[in-house]
Amino acid sequence: EPEVTQTPSHQVTQMGQEVILRCVPISNHLYFYWYRQILGQKVEFLVSFYNNEISEKSEIFDDQFSVERPDGSNFTLKIRSTKLEDSAMYFCASREPSQYSPLHFGNGTRLTVT
Amino acid sequence: QKEVEQNSGPLSVPEGAIASLNCTYSDRGSQSFFWYRQYSGKSPELIMFIYSNGDKEDGRFTAQLNKASQYVSLLIRDSQPSDSATYLCAVRLYNFNKFYFGSGTKLNVKP
Repeated sequence: EPEVTQTPSHQVTQMGQEVILRCVPISNHLYFYWYRQILGQKVEFLVSFYNNEISEKSEIFDDQFSVERPDGSNFTLKIRSTKLEDSAMYFCASREPSQYSPLHFGNGTRLTVT
Repeated sequence: QKEVEQNSGPLSVPEGAIASLNCTYSDRGSQSFFWYRQYSGKSPELIMFIYSNGDKEDGRFTAQLNKASQYVSLLIRDSQPSDSATYLCAVRLYNFNKFYFGSGTKLNVKP
């Protein structure tokens, strides 16, 4: 069964450093997402991406965040200057273009900012 | 404000019993409804989705949707210890791409 793949599974970085989280969505999916989950908290929406542009973003997704689809398969989340509070599990998800299609999640990247 | 509410639990049921998980949502523009299971430290895993009023069955799982009451539920029949996890309710609004998640209900199935 096709799946969303994310790398790395765990990333440790120092405060102020830039990180790039990588995702390969399912190949026939056209909608791509980043969610995050701080330990013990709910799954929070960051951004959705369709047709090579951001379609929606949350108030969390400020200027330190950016997303890119650099080629036909990868979808990346960049955090420019990490803060301690960015420590969380980051999930990439994708879905088919049909009206009721569900999100399919990757295994996540655990980001630890020290 | 668009909200998805779930009782955090834990909900404890004995093995073999029916577990009933509930979710309410605030926005009447909600179009499609999803149940995900999340084991500790893992990603959400889709169980099933529903978009029409009524019941939808898939194996041991039944999703129930009542749009008038803004209520969606998940029934798990013949609960197994392996069903012990946090169950997340998610909602997508018509004409939006974003999925809103509830905080999840922790289910414990005791052998």
